[in-house]
Amino acid sequence: DGGITQSPKYLFRKEGQNVTLSCEQNLNHDAMYWYRQDPGQGLRLIYYSQIVNDFQKGDIAEGYSVSREKKESFPLTVTSAQKNPTAFYLCASSVDLRRREVTDTQYFGPGTRLTVL
Amino acid sequence: SQQGEEDPQALSIQEGENATMNCSYKTSINNLQWYRQNSGRGLVHLILIRSNEREKHSGRLRVTLDTSKKSSSLLITASRAADTASYFCATVLNRDDKIIFGKGTRLHILP
Repeated sequence: DGGITQSPKYLFRKEGQNVTLSCEQNLNHDAMYWYRQDPGQGLRLIYYSQIVNDFQKGDIAEGYSVSREKKESFPLTVTSAQKNPTAFYLCASSVDLRRREVTDTQYFGPGTRLTVL
Repeated sequence: SQQGEEDPQALSIQEGENATMNCSYKTSINNLQWYRQNSGRGLVHLILIRSNEREKHSGRLRVTLDTSKKSSSLLITASRAADTASYFCATVLNRDDKIIFGKGTRLHILP
């Protein structure tokens, strides 16, 4: 079964702690993305990576960090510097937006709901 | 940075009726996509329409694109309870490769 997985589904964090959210895909996609979704809102891009060992900041990168050591994996760390981290976090992947001959569709994981206590 | 904006923000209709959602955007695009999100879940891609296309169909879904008005519409015909979800439009711009999502339309199908 090909797909994109996120873990954990629910995550609770105390103020001042760093937490890492996992995102894994076996779709052989080059590009991976992290989004944040707040209640009743759309998706805001945190970080994205178009190739292994390379990533770029999105619109709201402050207080977050990522790594892309393997094609399949794109973990997101929510650091203590993120002032309001309680949100629903979505990971997505796509083949590669630079290759226009293929669809630009994004495939999403099921999400991780992070709550700061 | 918000590119697409859906209208209405929320919509309630009776089962069996058609549902229409609209999306307006500000700059020229390569393509526009529609996604569905069930409560507490990830997004699921529904349909992609390129800038040189005017209409696409997929099952009960019909999407139109008017590049002169910078707008798109999603029509769901013969709605079902399972169509209850939030629907997002997303645009891929010509100038860079990022995909930008709107805030979504919450659709509720009444039994």
